[in-house]
Amino acid sequence: QVQLQESGPGLVKPSQTLTLTCTVSGGPITSGGYYWSWIRQPAGKGLEWIGRIYTSGTTNYNPSLKSRVTMSVDTSKSQFSLKLSSVTAADTAVYYCARVVVVPAPWGNYYYHYMDVWGKGTTVTVSS
Amino acid sequence: EIVLTQSPGTLSLSPGERATLSCRASQSASRSYLAWYQQKPGQAPRLLIYGASIRATGIPDRFSGSGSGTDFTLTISRLEPEDFAVYYCQQYGSSVLTFGPGTKVDIK
Repeated sequence: QVQLQESGPGLVKPSQTLTLTCTVSGGPITSGGYYWSWIRQPAGKGLEWIGRIYTSGTTNYNPSLKSRVTMSVDTSKSQFSLKLSSVTAADTAVYYCARVVVVPAPWGNYYYHYMDVWGKGTTVTVSS
Repeated sequence: EIVLTQSPGTLSLSPGERATLSCRASQSASRSYLAWYQQKPGQAPRLLIYGASIRATGIPDRFSGSGSGTDFTLTISRLEPEDFAVYYCQQYGSSVLTFGPGTKVDIK
């Protein structure tokens, strides 16, 4: 059974770069049909999708964060990473990594896009 | 970019009652792209429904999804104590995934 585990600093100073890593275990990160994603959730608020990456390196980012986000993948370590630059207090949140299933639907020329496995989340606070 | 609206914001019900949650998208998209998640305090979200109506593995059949185009519904036929939580819909469009703001189902 695939499991995801986020890791990284719990405290980041304003204007610095937040860096998180998600380690995939229980299955190959290179399995076809999956993207790997980051989502965040400020305390007491809803979920915000940050972006996703395929093992080829193809990325899609939330337009509202695109200018500050970089995702990468290291298949040899079964890890993918998030870098968020120029952070402010508004970036304080629980950050989750998740597996995105992208497989053909049985009707028409469409694919499913949903997140079936999630990490437990890691809290990142931006403060001096 | 698709914008999702969920209603009501909070639903106060008693165990055993039926819950009907709505998710409306700002533009029409394939039902393939619509998913529902449940989140309890201090936990990561859990996938309930994908493809608008397909229950994920291990999800009880009291959970059902329906809808197409811009209007989707999650129904919980009879609320169990463990069902009181926040529910999010999620849509895909133009290489972007979007979550709705959530509906909180709490105990009346």
